[in-house]
Amino acid sequence: TQLLEQSPQFLSIQEGENLTVYCNSSSVFSSLQWYRQEPGEGPVLLVTVVTGGEVKKLKRLTFQFGDARKDSSLHITAAQTGDTGLYLCAGVGGTSYGKLTFGQGTILTVHP
Amino acid sequence: DTGVSQDPRHKITKRGQNVTFRCDPISEHNRLYWYRQTLGQGPEFLTYFQNEAQLEKSRLLSDRFSAERPKGSFSTLEIQRTEQGDSAMYLCASSSGGGRANYGYTFGSGTRLTVV
Repeated sequence: TQLLEQSPQFLSIQEGENLTVYCNSSSVFSSLQWYRQEPGEGPVLLVTVVTGGEVKKLKRLTFQFGDARKDSSLHITAAQTGDTGLYLCAGVGGTSYGKLTFGQGTILTVHP
Repeated sequence: DTGVSQDPRHKITKRGQNVTFRCDPISEHNRLYWYRQTLGQGPEFLTYFQNEAQLEKSRLLSDRFSAERPKGSFSTLEIQRTEQGDSAMYLCASSSGGGRANYGYTFGSGTRLTVV
């Protein structure tokens, strides 16, 4: 069974601060996705990383896939109150066809 | 296309009753997935359809759960004899692709089930 450990589980910061969320596994994933979810809504895809060592930037968000494709990180620069939400990492295994294994999620609260 | 649609958005039912949820995927997507999410947790995979064929089912999907995707379009998830432990958000997602290639993964807004 493939598992993804996401940390921290909760993050409460002030507007303007930087933060990093980590996603770790002992399993290799063919790709890894990051999602943001609002209360009462489904997850919304932010990015997919496929290649080991890949770095993708989405405005103030930077996503990195580990060289061995077992871990990933999400870094947010100068957080804003609108970044508040649940952040989820999800991995696609090497033998499954699009089935996602999710981490437990990180609840981010950005205070004004 | 308006994305992945799920109906109803909320369902409250008494223990022991049967419930059915519907998912309408993005029309050009051939893959459809059902996930379940409890409060404070990430979604857990339930089942996967490639067109009309149900190709994978999780051990979480007990014999009280059944899913269909007739004609490879919309899908239904039925829970028979609901239990309080079935209370969760049921999420549907769709994507397009073949083999290990997977594109446009999109989730619906979910159906929140409360069993009382």
